[in-house]
Amino acid sequence: GNSVTQMEGPVTLSEEAFLTINCTYTATGYPSLFWYVQYPGEGLQLLLKATKADDKGSNKGFEATYRKETTSFHLEKGSVQVSDSAVYFCALLDNYGQNFVFGPGTRLSVLP
Amino acid sequence: ETGVTQSPTHLIKTRGQQVTLRCSSQSGHNTVSWYQQALGQGPQFIFQYYREEENGRGNFPPRFSGLQFPNYSSELNVNALELDDSALYLCASSLGTSGRRQETQYFGPGTRLLVL
Repeated sequence: GNSVTQMEGPVTLSEEAFLTINCTYTATGYPSLFWYVQYPGEGLQLLLKATKADDKGSNKGFEATYRKETTSFHLEKGSVQVSDSAVYFCALLDNYGQNFVFGPGTRLSVLP
Repeated sequence: ETGVTQSPTHLIKTRGQQVTLRCSSQSGHNTVSWYQQALGQGPQFIFQYYREEENGRGNFPPRFSGLQFPNYSSELNVNALELDDSALYLCASSLGTSGRRQETQYFGPGTRLLVL
């Protein structure tokens, strides 16, 4: 079956540090890939997405590139802020478009 | 444009009881998906409704059931509640087209259910 694996957290960084959160997936066909963010006490918000190989999704300084050869979709940001502290979920939408599969989430804490 | 809303925000039930959670989809969306998110874990897919019909189901027992109404709002019903049903229940809406896959799902804030 389809699955998503993320680096384990928590990840603790100082403000303005570089962020990478690794995500790899297993899926048949050509899934779409997503990063969602969940702030404390809230639901999930779409951060960025990519629907085909080599696409780069970007939003609010975050970027991720769909790498089919390595089945990866790593999240990066050049300079994190305290307000980026949240849980980040990598997810895939299967080839049939019915089912999102989420990774376990990675908690990020950014210290001033 | 109205976002996805869910009610209630919090709920406390006892084991064996039944619960109904509600979701209003984003304007223009015809597909609703429900997820269970246990503490510290990622959301797990329960089922999806497309234009009032079930359109896929995850690995959840039949006591988890749902409905979608003509206005595309939806309900999640859970019978015979168990302690392990304590979780955040998320609803997500999207625009689906028959025979083609639906794209991005937009999530509501969730309903936090506690089963004692």
